[in-house]
Formats: sequence, structure tokens, C-alpha cells
Amino acid sequence: AQSVSQHNHHVILSEAASLELGCNYSYGGTVNLFWYVQYPGQHLQLLLKYFSGDPLVKGIKGFEAEFIKSKFSFNLRKPSVQWSDTAEYFCAVNPGRRALTFGSGTRLQVQP
Amino acid sequence: DAGVIQSPRHEVTEMGQEVTLRCKPISGHNSLFWYRQTMMRGLELLIYFNNNVPIDDSGMPEDRFSAKMPNASFSTLKIQPSEPRDSAVYFCASTQRGTSGLQFFGPGTRLTVL
Repeated sequence: AQSVSQHNHHVILSEAASLELGCNYSYGGTVNLFWYVQYPGQHLQLLLKYFSGDPLVKGIKGFEAEFIKSKFSFNLRKPSVQWSDTAEYFCAVNPGRRALTFGSGTRLQVQP
Repeated sequence: DAGVIQSPRHEVTEMGQEVTLRCKPISGHNSLFWYRQTMMRGLELLIYFNNNVPIDDSGMPEDRFSAKMPNASFSTLKIQPSEPRDSAVYFCASTQRGTSGLQFFGPGTRLTVL
């Protein structure tokens, strides 16, 4: 069965620091990839998605992610984080099925 | 569009009571998903429907849990009898055919079973 691994469970950064959150998946075929964000007390919102084409995907709020097929990775990046980026970030994979498989999430805490 | 609507937003009940969670998907979406989120287990898919038909309920923890989708605009998740370990946030999500899995989530129902 496919799985999604997020190796960073809790990340603490200062404002203006650069961010990279890792995501690896185990499915070998064609996949659709997503990053969702969950702000404290809120529901999951889509940050960005990759279906095909340019492997560097730009999302909302200055986030981007790079799909590296050979590494089965879809890491999330942001050059300069803000306090308002404090949230939990979930990587998800949809290998053609309707249901998403989510990673365990990474809790990001940005200190002012 | 109002987005995915869930009710109630918060539910506190006592062990042994029946709990019913409700979800209204986005109009025009034909797939609906129920997830449970806990600190220990993260985000888990419980069940999902395509065109009101349950497709995969392998994530439903046990027979105490049941889900229905009587029509395209309404779904329920019922727990009977409830137990303290069912305490979690339950999310409903929906998606439209052809969107390659892009799901829109509701605000969730925070369930506390005492």
C-alpha cells in the first residue's frame, strides 16, 4: 500500500528564516501530489498541487514545492517565513484513486 | 459557494450515547469523504462515497461507526454507542469528478466523549 512520509514532525523557525519540509511517498506509478495547511483551530486548506508539467509548483502565500520523481519526493519550500505561517502542514498523495493518503503532518512554529 | 458545511461544530456527549455528525458537500461534487483527526493517529480516512455509494469503508474503526449518504447533498456519520476514544475532530471533504483528487474540506466537528 502506498504511504506518505513527513520526516519533520515539529519545526521551529524564526521569522525570515527559510523553510523546507520534506515529503516522500512510496507509490511507483503516476501520482497527484498536494500540500494542505491547517491553521490553529481551522480546517485543512489547499496550499498547492501537482498533477503534471513543470515539477516546480507555486502555491499561495509564497509557498512552492518541487516534484522530484526519481526521489519520490515533493518537498515544500518558502524563502522567508512569517509568524502567520505557524500551522500544521500535510503532504498528500492521490495515485489515481479518489481518496487521498495523508502524511502525519509537520507542525511549524514561527517565532517573531 | 458556501463550501463544505458540517454540523455541529462542537459536540460533547457522554459515553454510551449516540452521536450523529452531518455534512453537506459542495454542490456539484460527486465524491464525499469522512476523515478523523487525532493527535495520536493524525488524519485518517474513514469512508468515502462516489455518487452516494460507499466505495471504501475499510477505515471505519468498528461496527459502532456507520455512514450514510441518502442523496447528493447530505451525509451522516453515526457513532453508537460512543466511547471516550472516539474523541477527535471529524472532517468531511468533497471533490468533483475530473479534479484529480483535489478535495475541499469542511470546518470539522470536534467531538468529545466523556
